[in-house]
Amino acid sequence: DQQVKQNSPSLSVQEGRISILNCDYTNSMFDYFLWYKKYPAEGPTFLISISSIKDKNEDGRFTVFLNKSAKHLSLHIVPSQPGDSAVYFCAASAFNAGGTSYGKLTFGQGTILTVHP
Amino acid sequence: DTAVSQTPKYLVTQMGNDKSIKCEQNLGHDTMYWYKQDSKKFLKIMFSYNNKELIINETVPNRFSPKSPDKAHLNLHINSLELGDSAVYFCASSQASSGRPLAKNIQYFGAGTRLSVL
Repeated sequence: DQQVKQNSPSLSVQEGRISILNCDYTNSMFDYFLWYKKYPAEGPTFLISISSIKDKNEDGRFTVFLNKSAKHLSLHIVPSQPGDSAVYFCAASAFNAGGTSYGKLTFGQGTILTVHP
Repeated sequence: DTAVSQTPKYLVTQMGNDKSIKCEQNLGHDTMYWYKQDSKKFLKIMFSYNNKELIINETVPNRFSPKSPDKAHLNLHINSLELGDSAVYFCASSQASSGRPLAKNIQYFGAGTRLSVL
């Protein structure tokens, strides 16, 4: 049972345009969400996060939107650059959950973003 | 200078063998994790240690045994390897600090160990 899903395996975008990556979750206990970026042969690196008390968080070209009622979040990259080509993972955690879920990140399966020059 | 380093990067072995993957972090973090990325590309947590104490233990076969000799190291030992153990294993670390719950701390990942069981 996958609690975090990224239903688009891949996305192709022209340089300078907007990239929109989507993520859905099912566990209503999740209250903190993160996006990680991964290049081939490297580990995931943290990109941006959002708490469930917010609906938007912005950092430079990257903006994450959270729609709690729809259990949906998205990552917007504007403008997209060829160097943004990577796999993007959505992840979620439940802060207030006790026991073994404390500190646990649940990841989606990733979306491959390709930005063409 | 690599923050989270795993060795080896690649590991090819026969079914039934025992193998270990080592992880070291030089970030001064007090929490370390092991994740498995399976063939469907999901990253799933296996274990987590905070100050050498096991705090997360997902449903993982007991052939997998993590060992944390100190806060900077979390090694993964796998006994009696099976074909289904073939995957990429990632180590990660984070720092829990007062007023900042562990669940919100950013995790830093190693480059991964690709394990192939033949």
